[in-house]
Amino acid sequence: DAKTTQPPSMDCAEGRAANLPCNHSTISGNEYVYWYRQIHSQGPQYIIHGLKNNETNEMASLIITEDRKSSTLILPHATLRDTAVYYCIVRSPSPAGGTSYGKLTFGQGTILTVHP
Amino acid sequence: DAGVTQSPTHLIKTRGQQVTLRCSPKSGHDTVSWYQQALGQGPQFIFQYYEEEERQRGNFPDRFSGHQFPNYSSELNVNALLLGDSALYLCASSLAQRGQETQYFGPGTRLLVL
Repeated sequence: DAKTTQPPSMDCAEGRAANLPCNHSTISGNEYVYWYRQIHSQGPQYIIHGLKNNETNEMASLIITEDRKSSTLILPHATLRDTAVYYCIVRSPSPAGGTSYGKLTFGQGTILTVHP
Repeated sequence: DAGVTQSPTHLIKTRGQQVTLRCSPKSGHDTVSWYQQALGQGPQFIFQYYEEEERQRGNFPDRFSGHQFPNYSSELNVNALLLGDSALYLCASSLAQRGQETQYFGPGTRLLVL
């Protein structure tokens, strides 16, 4: 799985968009980008994932550059409850046949602090 | 729809003892992965169980072992506990499928070894 680089910390004002960057310059063509977040002492929460197209769900948007070497997670209207550690993970796809590669490789992540 | 559940929530053991942690996957999921998260660090992959077999293992010693039951629930066993085994132990479940599957995490079990 490709290595990712994230800033150690970021701040955001409540109600504003939070844009969290991630570099994954060694990503392979079939590797997915996943984002999770972890609020203090809780289990990681899945946010979103994508391959090459931009993705949006009820929680966030994921923008992947055309060369796929970096991505940005966007929380459109950050709230105090979005304060957490955000992890960007690059992961190989499962092989044909239905069995899965289990391993998620977590780095240090970005500590996002949302201020009132 | 119940998510991933883990028990117990907290546990205190002494060095040399053995511990068993339990995980029930999200409804409809058939794969369970275990992670260890030391304080201030990201989770580290221990192993994954699918069809009652260990399918992939991280860099953990044989003191760490597991089991998956026919109902897809799983146990993590750690023998001869060391102080360094103190951590948050996370279980994640997923549905094995070609391409990508998403892992959903439980709340974790916090283990303290004295």
